[in-house]
Amino acid sequence: AQSVSQHNHHVILSEAASLELGCNYSYGGTVNLFWYVQYPGQHLQLLLKYFSGDPLVKGIKGFEAEFIKSKFSFNLRKPSVQWSDTAEYFCAVQAGTALIFGKGTTLSVSS
Amino acid sequence: DGGITQSPKYLFRKEGQNVTLSCEQNLNHDAMYWYRQDPGQGLRLIYYSQIVNDFQKGDIAEGYSVSREKKESFPLTVTSAQKNPTAFYLCASSIERGLSMNTEAFFGQGTRLTVV
Repeated sequence: AQSVSQHNHHVILSEAASLELGCNYSYGGTVNLFWYVQYPGQHLQLLLKYFSGDPLVKGIKGFEAEFIKSKFSFNLRKPSVQWSDTAEYFCAVQAGTALIFGKGTTLSVSS
Repeated sequence: DGGITQSPKYLFRKEGQNVTLSCEQNLNHDAMYWYRQDPGQGLRLIYYSQIVNDFQKGDIAEGYSVSREKKESFPLTVTSAQKNPTAFYLCASSIERGLSMNTEAFFGQGTRLTVV
C-alpha cells in the first residue's frame, strides 16, 4: 500500500528564515503530488500540486515544491517565511484512486 | 455558492450509539472521500467513492459505514463498533476519479464528534 512520510513533526522558525519541509512517498508508479495547508481554525486548502512536466512547482503565497522522482520526494520550500505562515502542512499522494496524506508538519513562525 | 457542506460542526453522542455525519457537495464532483484527523496522525482515509452506488474502504474503515445513493451526498455512519470514535472528521470531493489534471480535492469544514 502506498504511504506518505513527513519527516518533521514540528518546525519552529523566526520570520524571514527559509523553510524546507520533507515529504517522501512509497509507490513506484505514476503519482499526483499535493501540499495542503490548514491555518488555525480554517479548513484544508491546496498550496500546490504536481501532475507532470516541470518538477519544480510554484504555488500560492510564495511556496514551491520540487518533485525528485529518483528519491520519491516532494519537498516544500519557501525562501522567507512570515508569521502568517503558521499552520499545519500536509503532503498528499494520489496513486490510482485514493488520496493518501502524511501525518502533517506543524510550522510555528515567531515574529 | 459552490462547495462542500458538512453538518453539524459539533456533535455529541453517548457511547454505544450510531451517529451519521452529513456531507453534501454541489460541485458536481464524481469522487468523494471521508478522512479522520487526529493530533499527530494526519488525515487517515476511512472510505472513498469514485461514483454513485460504489465505494471502497480506506485504511481505517472498521467501525464505519457509508452510502453513495446520490452524486452530491456521501454520509458517514460511525457505528458502536468503532472503538475510539471521538475525532475530527473531514469530507472531501474531487472532480474526477483516478489520475488526471483535475484530481485536486476540496474539503469541507469538518465535524468534530465527541462520544461520551
